[in-house]
Amino acid sequence: GDSVTQMEGPVTLSEEAFLTINCTYTATGYPSLFWYVQYPGEGLQLLLKATKADDKGSNKGFEATYRKETTSFHLEKGSVQVSDSAVYFCALSWDYKLSFGAGTTVTVRA
Amino acid sequence: EAQVTQNPRYLITVTGKKLTVTCSQNMNHEYMSWYRQDPGLGLRQIYYSMNVEVTDKGDVPEGYKVSRKEKRNFPLILESPSPNQTSLYFCASSLTGGTGYNSPLHFGNGTRLTVT
Repeated sequence: GDSVTQMEGPVTLSEEAFLTINCTYTATGYPSLFWYVQYPGEGLQLLLKATKADDKGSNKGFEATYRKETTSFHLEKGSVQVSDSAVYFCALSWDYKLSFGAGTTVTVRA
Repeated sequence: EAQVTQNPRYLITVTGKKLTVTCSQNMNHEYMSWYRQDPGLGLRQIYYSMNVEVTDKGDVPEGYKVSRKEKRNFPLILESPSPNQTSLYFCASSLTGGTGYNSPLHFGNGTRLTVT
């Protein structure tokens, strides 16, 4: 079935460092791709999305590009802040179902 | 304020004692879904509903029931809870699901269930 695989954490960075979280997917159709973020004690929030190949989603300094040729949707941010500490989930949607990756915990230290 | 409300936030129960976790949304969303979150496994979909009286199984439906009698409510029922259902549960809704699904999910704040 359709699924996503994302890099395992935890990831610990210093403030202003560059962040990359890898995400690859397996799908039989043409899914939409998402990144969700979960702050401590809260539910998930949509961070960004892309609905077709070569689309770039962006929000709050984060970016991800839908790469059909490599079946990837890697999340990047050029300069992280302490407030970016959270769990990040890559997700794939196709035909009413939404599949999530296992999540990557990111900790940013001042 | 647009939101998805789950209750309770925390629940400790014993094996076999029926329980219901409520979920309500005030955004007139058609699509609602339940997930469980377990360490190393991410979120797994339990059941989803595309509209009133329309529900379907997700990836891990065993041991759970749902109903969708009204558009705003989507309760999760555990008829006979077992310890392997100890988890963090999230309800979510979106305007519409469907192929090429674009509408983002809005999540509740979660229910942490412990079954002893």
